[in-house]
Amino acid sequence: GAGVSQTPSNKVTEKGKYVELRCDPISGHTALYWYRQSLGQGPEFLIYFQGTGAADDSGLPNDRFFAVRPEGSVSTLKIQRTERGDSAVYLCASSDRSGGTEQFFGPGTRLTVL
Amino acid sequence: RKEVEQDPGPFNVPEGATVAFNCTYSNSASQSFFWYRQDCRKEPKLLMSVYSSGNEDGRFTAQLNRASQYISLLIRDSKLSDSATYLCVVNDPSGGYQKVTFGTGTKLQVIP
Repeated sequence: GAGVSQTPSNKVTEKGKYVELRCDPISGHTALYWYRQSLGQGPEFLIYFQGTGAADDSGLPNDRFFAVRPEGSVSTLKIQRTERGDSAVYLCASSDRSGGTEQFFGPGTRLTVL
Repeated sequence: RKEVEQDPGPFNVPEGATVAFNCTYSNSASQSFFWYRQDCRKEPKLLMSVYSSGNEDGRFTAQLNRASQYISLLIRDSKLSDSATYLCVVNDPSGGYQKVTFGTGTKLQVIP
């Protein structure tokens, strides 16, 4: 079956611009996670959704970052007033229940802020 | 102290060698432990869960030492295809769900 997909695969933007990153989880997966990964680092937790609600957004670095999952499936991560330090790979993962052992990752969106 | 710590490597080993990675974690209340594999410029994928009694999957053996708060991954008879970054993953007990923390990863390069 189809895995987790993310679009775009690459995004180049200028400092100060607004960007949206999209994640399509595996069909039927209720849990969805967003991570950010910088070079040489492991994925860093940003936010977790169970269904439509953000159950834990403690990893969002500041109020420029926001994520939604209005119908409990597709999720969008939104970054306002982008900064050069936001450049990273943004990974989305889903699992089949909140206590699911395995998280299935998408290929990521590589964001570059010039 | 970082929540999950790994030696970043790289570990350069010849084909056929045995190599072991350790990972330490800071929260003694953590209950779930995993090793993920990440190929260069690819997404992480679950390699194996780590059980209290230790577990083996082919050439891979994972062990947990709760007293010392570390987990290990042993790879026997290394193959070129084992070259990747191995991420240690530990659950965060403060989350009421499967919130996990990733280590920085240990890079393995298997040399012909």
